[in-house]
Amino acid sequence: DAEITQSPRHKITETGRQVTLACHQTWNHNNMFWYRQDLGHGLRLIHYSYGVQDTNKGEVSDGYSVSRSNTEDLPLTLESAASSQTSVYFCASSSNNQPQHFGDGTRLSIL
Amino acid sequence: AQKITQTQPGMFVQEKEAVTLDCTYDTSDPSYGLFWYKQPSSGEMIFLIYQGSYDQQNATEGRYSLNFQKARKSANLVISASQLGDSAMYFCAITPRWGSGGSNYKLTFGKGTLLTVNP
Repeated sequence: DAEITQSPRHKITETGRQVTLACHQTWNHNNMFWYRQDLGHGLRLIHYSYGVQDTNKGEVSDGYSVSRSNTEDLPLTLESAASSQTSVYFCASSSNNQPQHFGDGTRLSIL
Repeated sequence: AQKITQTQPGMFVQEKEAVTLDCTYDTSDPSYGLFWYKQPSSGEMIFLIYQGSYDQQNATEGRYSLNFQKARKSANLVISASQLGDSAMYFCAITPRWGSGGSNYKLTFGKGTLLTVNP
């Protein structure tokens, strides 16, 4: 079955380090998204992509970057991790005019 | 810009009863899509149901239905015959220009309602 997978599921790192969270989908969806979930804020959009070589900033993009070199993957990079980026991160994908489907999330702790 | 308001931080329902989770939205776009997601305690986000603003009929998916009242800008989720496994956080979300071409497909979420089903 087609799916969307995130790795790692849990990560602990230190402030100032570069961190990359992986997202891989096998649905051949054009659209991919990264969200973060924090208590009291629901889910907020970090970056998104509508296809290969396309990336766009979302609501809370500062300190994050993405790249889309193929259809299946949209890795999220924290250039220099900060404690404020401790959160649960969700990747999602969709085809046009279809609901987004989410990965299981990555719990990231920055000490 | 779009905004979703979920006014019920928590709701309780008895098993086998129906429950309505409230969602109101604000958008200036003439067409939009409204979505509900379920997040159980295990953490994953599960898509439940969606409604396009131009859809004439309210959406239904099994025990889930979306009570869409366009004039009131509300898109409430109705769960019939609640089950213990329905205990979870529920999120309402909106995307602009849904189905009309030019949609950006970005979701704006509400803060969620925690539903507890009592036996």
